[in-house]
Amino acid sequence: DAGVTQSPTHLIKTRGQQVTLRCSPKSGHDTVSWYQQALGQGPQFIFQYYEEEERQRGNFPDRFSGHQFPNYSSELNVNALLLGDSALYLCASSPTGTNSPLHFGNGTRLTVT
Amino acid sequence: SQQGEEDPQALSIQEGENATMNCSYKTSINNLQWYRQNSGRGLVHLILIRSNEREKHSGRLRVTLDTSKKSSSLLITASRAADTASYFCAPGGGNTPLVFGKGTRLSVIA
Repeated sequence: DAGVTQSPTHLIKTRGQQVTLRCSPKSGHDTVSWYQQALGQGPQFIFQYYEEEERQRGNFPDRFSGHQFPNYSSELNVNALLLGDSALYLCASSPTGTNSPLHFGNGTRLTVT
Repeated sequence: SQQGEEDPQALSIQEGENATMNCSYKTSINNLQWYRQNSGRGLVHLILIRSNEREKHSGRLRVTLDTSKKSSSLLITASRAADTASYFCAPGGGNTPLVFGKGTRLSVIA
């Protein structure tokens, strides 16, 4: 049973470009959350998707957007990349339900130069 | 959402010793979860303790919860080098997503 998978594992982009990160949730999970983790910091909540809709959003600008597909997989898009967007982006899945334990992927390391 | 605050920020111990880290939060919760993160990897769920529980065990892990003090502690007994990681607490309550603090960085020296 595959856990949460994220692609790509590493990515280097130039300031101003756009990036798309992908996540496949653990089998049986229908809720996907995205987190941004800067070096030395804890993961910061970006948004959560359920039933193909954004249900919750953290304090991130509109440059960050997402999508969830009918098979529950998800994408995170970031437009107009800034140097400060360099971070580890983590995807977490969970079954429906309040505060169910999250299952995390190993993340995508994004470097913006 | 509320974020837990872990203390200490960093902890260094010898292999075989016990490691204790604490978490404080501000408002009432339904449960509290602890996660571990090895360097550069995703977080791994360790244990969930509900608000009506005072203590919970899982292998070498012991978690306590004091809702009157709004605090929790994670004890790792007989630490191993493989326990070296960052540990995060996440207070849970209502229909809000989990948020994480800066964590406690544990170093276990062989």
